Amino acid sequence: DAKTTQPPSMDCAEGRAANLPCNHSTISGNEYVYWYRQIHSQGPQYIIHGLKNNETNEMASLIITEDRKSSTLILPHATLRDTAVYYCIVRVAIRRGGKLIFGQGTELSVKP
Amino acid sequence: DSGVTQTPKHLITATGQRVTLRCSPRSGDLSVYWYQQSLDQGLQFLIHYYNGEERAKGNILERFSAQQFPDLHSELNLSSLELGDSALYFCASSVDEGRKSGNTIYFGEGSWLTVV
Repeated sequence: DAKTTQPPSMDCAEGRAANLPCNHSTISGNEYVYWYRQIHSQGPQYIIHGLKNNETNEMASLIITEDRKSSTLILPHATLRDTAVYYCIVRVAIRRGGKLIFGQGTELSVKP
Repeated sequence: DSGVTQTPKHLITATGQRVTLRCSPRSGDLSVYWYQQSLDQGLQFLIHYYNGEERAKGNILERFSAQQFPDLHSELNLSSLELGDSALYFCASSVDEGRKSGNTIYFGEGSWLTVV
């Protein structure tokens, strides 16, 4: 299974962009990169996912490098409510069940 | 609200007992995934069902079992409970079995299990 590497923690000032990096150098050609976040002990919340192209939705933007070995999640204007653990996940291919394998994630602290 | 419903939200039980956690997936979703989150282990994948059939198993203990019913709801059965089974148990659902890897998986709010 493709593994991901994320910094354990990051700080961001409120109102500024939060850029969360993720390395996934062993990703296969048909595997998507997903981002989720978990606030306290709530259920993981889906943010965004992508395969090759950059993606944007109402929550965030996902920038995937051309070689697909790394990606960056961008929260354009971080608020205090964005404080959470952010997980970058490569979803395994169907032969291995299509499940999400969570790593340790990045604990993002948004400060006033 | 993700649309995935889990019951009960909180449960306290004694060691050696058996409990059942229930999950109703989002309308139209055929896949159900179960995860366990304890303080020292992070989110651990337990098992995946698709349209009533088991698709993948993770580090699920033999004391634990799951099933998915014809109406697509799922139950996770935990037996001979130990103190170490205290954790948050999450259910998640998606529309397919993961063939294309591009369909979103949505999580419920979890069931807090405390074993005393």
